[in-house]
Amino acid sequence: QSVLTQPPSVSGAPGQRVTISCSGSSSNIGTYYNVHWYQQRPGTAPKLLIYGNSKRPSGVPDRFSGSKSGTSASLAITGLQAEDEADYYCQSYDNSLSGYVFGTGTKVTVL
Amino acid sequence: QVQLQQWGAGLLKPSETLSLSCAVYGGSFSGHYWNWIRQPPGKGLEWIGEINHSGSTNYNPSLKSRVTISVDTSKNQFSLKLSSVTAADTAVYYCARWDVDTSMAYDYWGQGTLVTVSS
Repeated sequence: QSVLTQPPSVSGAPGQRVTISCSGSSSNIGTYYNVHWYQQRPGTAPKLLIYGNSKRPSGVPDRFSGSKSGTSASLAITGLQAEDEADYYCQSYDNSLSGYVFGTGTKVTVL
Repeated sequence: QVQLQQWGAGLLKPSETLSLSCAVYGGSFSGHYWNWIRQPPGKGLEWIGEINHSGSTNYNPSLKSRVTISVDTSKNQFSLKLSSVTAADTAVYYCARWDVDTSMAYDYWGQGTLVTVSS
């Protein structure tokens, strides 16, 4: 069972903006631990999308942005494109579990 | 360019030991922690454990009693053993690297290995 909660699904039309929330607690996101986001297309390994709460690795479009506040984090996708259809996972560290934890995952559908 | 190439047995019987290995090509082997992560079919990701080049390990407490991660620095490889497997261990297993430069995010992943546990 995951300690980071995400909505099961979000959807939007091409060009729209969607956001994905990641709700944690005082033992993970609510501490100084960073939040990272991954994109996973069917049948492939996850790909790092956002690290350190809001930084983008080289090659990731600036349509993707991340933020963290209190015990939650969020990923925003602006100018939604068909290729953004995938599963998205947040990830952090939990000091009460003494380990890395992932969110429950969110499926993004482009209408 | 860093590449992680993994391999291992894909079909096991209950009570057997899962064994997977991951070879790292390119980049520094000694400057990172090397992880195993799994994903049951249709479900989310679960961290299994990690090791660094000197053999220091951290394991998911829920799996700790059954997991051993080891490293072979001469080959830039690391391995996973999970004992006494059951159907609940059926999953795609990934090896992955975290990097201090990315605030300990997993920046490179292996291709994944589907391990099925069935009698």
